[in-house]
Amino acid sequence: DQQVKQNSPSLSVQEGRISILNCDYTNSMFDYFLWYKKYPAEGPTFLISISSIKDKNEDGRFTVFLNKSAKHLSLHIVPSQPGDSAVYFCAASVRGGSNYKLTFGKGTLLTVNP
Amino acid sequence: DAGVTQSPTHLIKTRGQQVTLRCSPISGHKSVSWYQQVLGQGPQFIFQYYEKEERGRGNFPDRFSARQFPNYSSELNVNALLLGDSALYLCASSLFYSNQPQHFGDGTRLSIL
Repeated sequence: DQQVKQNSPSLSVQEGRISILNCDYTNSMFDYFLWYKKYPAEGPTFLISISSIKDKNEDGRFTVFLNKSAKHLSLHIVPSQPGDSAVYFCAASVRGGSNYKLTFGKGTLLTVNP
Repeated sequence: DAGVTQSPTHLIKTRGQQVTLRCSPISGHKSVSWYQQVLGQGPQFIFQYYEKEERGRGNFPDRFSARQFPNYSSELNVNALLLGDSALYLCASSLFYSNQPQHFGDGTRLSIL
């Protein structure tokens, strides 16, 4: 049962344009969401996060939007750069309880073309 | 400052063998989590440890076990290896078990022949 879904396995954009990566979740208990970027042969690197009490969080070129009613979040990268080419994972957690495990989607491969 | 370090980087084992993977968290971080990532999938939670106590366990068989040491480093053990255990094993650390984000190491690539 995939609780976090990234339905686009890949996305290709031109340098300088906007990249929009999407993520859906089914578990209404999730209240904290994170995006990680992963290059080959490296571990995931934290990018940006958002709490369920917010609907938007910005950090430089990266903005995450959360629509709780739709159980949907998206990551916007503006402007996109060739160095942004990587696999992007959406992850979710439930705060409170005995552990704070991350539940990941399958990832979206972003390719930014020069 | 050093990030999360994992050893070894790569490992090749045969079915039925046992393996131990090691993780050193970021200095000052007291929580360590382990994840398994098979090809084409996202990382899947195996264990979380905090102050040497197991805080959570994912849906993995008892062949998987882990422990955390007083210096907060951790080991993941897998017994009776199966072909399906071939994966990238990732270790992540955070300041406390409730702290996000978790910071990941580069992983150990385990191949089972």
